[in-house]
Amino acid sequence: AQKVTQAQTEISVVEKEDVTLDCVYETRDTTYYLFWYKQPPSGELVFLIRRNSFDEQNEISGRYSWNFQKSTSSFNFTITASQVVDSAVYFCALSGNAGNNRKLIWGLGTSLAVNP
Amino acid sequence: DSGVTQTPKHLITATGQRVTLRCSPRSGDLSVYWYQQSLDQGLQFLIHYYNGEERAKGNILERFSAQQFPDLHSELNLSSLELGDSALYFCASSVPDRLYTDTQYFGPGTRLTVL
Repeated sequence: AQKVTQAQTEISVVEKEDVTLDCVYETRDTTYYLFWYKQPPSGELVFLIRRNSFDEQNEISGRYSWNFQKSTSSFNFTITASQVVDSAVYFCALSGNAGNNRKLIWGLGTSLAVNP
Repeated sequence: DSGVTQTPKHLITATGQRVTLRCSPRSGDLSVYWYQQSLDQGLQFLIHYYNGEERAKGNILERFSAQQFPDLHSELNLSSLELGDSALYFCASSVPDRLYTDTQYFGPGTRLTVL
């Protein structure tokens, strides 16, 4: 069965600190997809990034970076120089191969509070 | 703004009642997904429609049903409502990729409160 674990329930940092959100996944699929979504206090779910299992290249986009490690089944997300506006709940999600297995399996989320 | 719209934004109703949640996908998207977010169970997949056809079902109760219309908007019908159905209901849409899975873009959600 597919499963996503976000062990960190809540994280609190001071503005300008770097913060890493952990995500560990389980799947038997050989091809799968990983996502990070952000849910700010207003409630909507905002897509941040998607990684394909066959592409292990890590990426940096502005203050955000992602570390995908297939060997440890982890897909961690780092915010550099955090800002108050980064305060939100962050969800890691997993999707299976194409076809009829496109549903997202979600972690329970990590609530990030960035304090001024 | 993702381009996905959901109405209403808030809904307050009583146990035993029936409600309809509406979702309009992004222009050009053929797939619509429904998810439920509750405090005790987190985000759970309910159902997926592609171009009017049901493609996958998740943990959707028999009291719940959905459909996707020819104009691609979708409706989620919840009947015989119980207190435990109180949750945030999200709709997501995507352009299906034949080879790889698609990225889902979410609407603002409908917050359902059952009293």
